[in-house]
Amino acid sequence: QSVLTQPPSASGTPGQRVTISCSGSSSNIGSNYVYWYQQLPGTAPKLLISRNNQRPSGVPDRFSGSKSGTSASLAISGLRSEDEADYYCAAWDDSLSGVVFGGGTKLTVL
Amino acid sequence: EVQLVESGGGFVQPGRSLRLSCVASGFTFDDYAMHWVRQAPGKGLEWVSGITWNSGGIAYADSVKGRFTISRDNAKNSLYLQMNSLRTEDMALYYCAKGTTVTYRDPFDHWGQGTLVTVSS
Repeated sequence: QSVLTQPPSASGTPGQRVTISCSGSSSNIGSNYVYWYQQLPGTAPKLLISRNNQRPSGVPDRFSGSKSGTSASLAISGLRSEDEADYYCAAWDDSLSGVVFGGGTKLTVL
Repeated sequence: EVQLVESGGGFVQPGRSLRLSCVASGFTFDDYAMHWVRQAPGKGLEWVSGITWNSGGIAYADSVKGRFTISRDNAKNSLYLQMNSLRTEDMALYYCAKGTTVTYRDPFDHWGQGTLVTVSS
């Protein structure tokens, strides 16, 4: 059971906009930054979004992050086949004194 | 370009020890916190431990506290994880990850390719 809650799966067709949610509590998302990672099959995770909504250089602007209260979301617009991957949210947790992850969302591009 | 190269994984019996290493390049190593994150086969990501830029602060997941020890050698641009009393549930791909600031409170922006630890009798 992960501390942050994500839907196990999501799907969309090419060109669509998909949103992945990440729900936490006041001790993690509610008081700290949220990070999002993309893990393509057989590869190491890659940073997509830092500090709730900051895109590192090289990450397409099709990816965007937002946070409200104790929840966060990752939006992917103009869905492409290469976006098919696992997506994870993460944040520091003040109560656990550690970084916590969501369980991951497997995105399928139909 | 940031590069993180892990080594030291392998096959080990329950109760034994293993030491993982990570050599960093492409950035000023002692400007950032560093972390270990693991992923069991077919499972999600689990943070294991983090260490501040100067080793002044260290944090562990409850699942490894008292068994694992994180350390770093800034002169060698290296991060380590000493794993003692290994259990079957410690079997995973272990990633070295670079923090985004000097403190371990901020998650990671770069990851290595991982080193596999197999624990079995």
